[in-house]
Amino acid sequence: RKEVEQDPGPFNVPEGATVAFNCTYSNSASQSFFWYRQDCRKEPKLLMSVYSSGNEDGRFTAQLNRASQYISLLIRDSKLSDSATYLCVVRWRGGADGLTFGKGTHLIIQP
Amino acid sequence: DTEVTQTPKHLVMGMTNKKSLKCEQHMGHRAMYWYKQKAKKPPELMFVYSYEKLSINESVPSRFSPECPNSSLLNLHLHALQPEDSALYLCASSLGGQGIYEQYFGPGTRLTVT
Repeated sequence: RKEVEQDPGPFNVPEGATVAFNCTYSNSASQSFFWYRQDCRKEPKLLMSVYSSGNEDGRFTAQLNRASQYISLLIRDSKLSDSATYLCVVRWRGGADGLTFGKGTHLIIQP
Repeated sequence: DTEVTQTPKHLVMGMTNKKSLKCEQHMGHRAMYWYKQKAKKPPELMFVYSYEKLSINESVPSRFSPECPNSSLLNLHLHALQPEDSALYLCASSLGGQGIYEQYFGPGTRLTVT
């Protein structure tokens, strides 16, 4: 089975706080992992790929734990503009395969 | 430039109509995708084209017919749709091949079937 599980939230977080999301996936043969963000009535936009050694892009840090089959996203110093739905995404096999999306975690940054 | 364009932005069609959705990318990507997204749900994969050949069809009804005229273009032909087919249809592209190749999405076509 190919499943990606996320806590749907919503997460209500004050501006400037740090927030973390986790995501679990069902298939150990999974190939690649990503975080996308989606704003209301817009397309998903790639936030970052997730590498085995973990990676950081500005205020965003992604971690992958293959043994436990989970992925995390940490957002530091959250901004109002970070309010969105964050989608955990897995590609199961090769490069041309489609993506499987988690249901998304809704984040609301409050002033 | 990571731009994928889609036309039209919005489409309203009756159940007896035939229409087509179009997608274009000029990033040299060799894999293109159609996804369907219902309200408050994540995108669901419909079709994958790899090097202009259909490589994945996720058991999509035949009233949806994809076409890849060349490596930059992807169409989705619609015929005899049902009201439950109303959704946001998203096109995406990626480099294809092995490796961590990200997919980039177009803005989508919001389809309403009446």
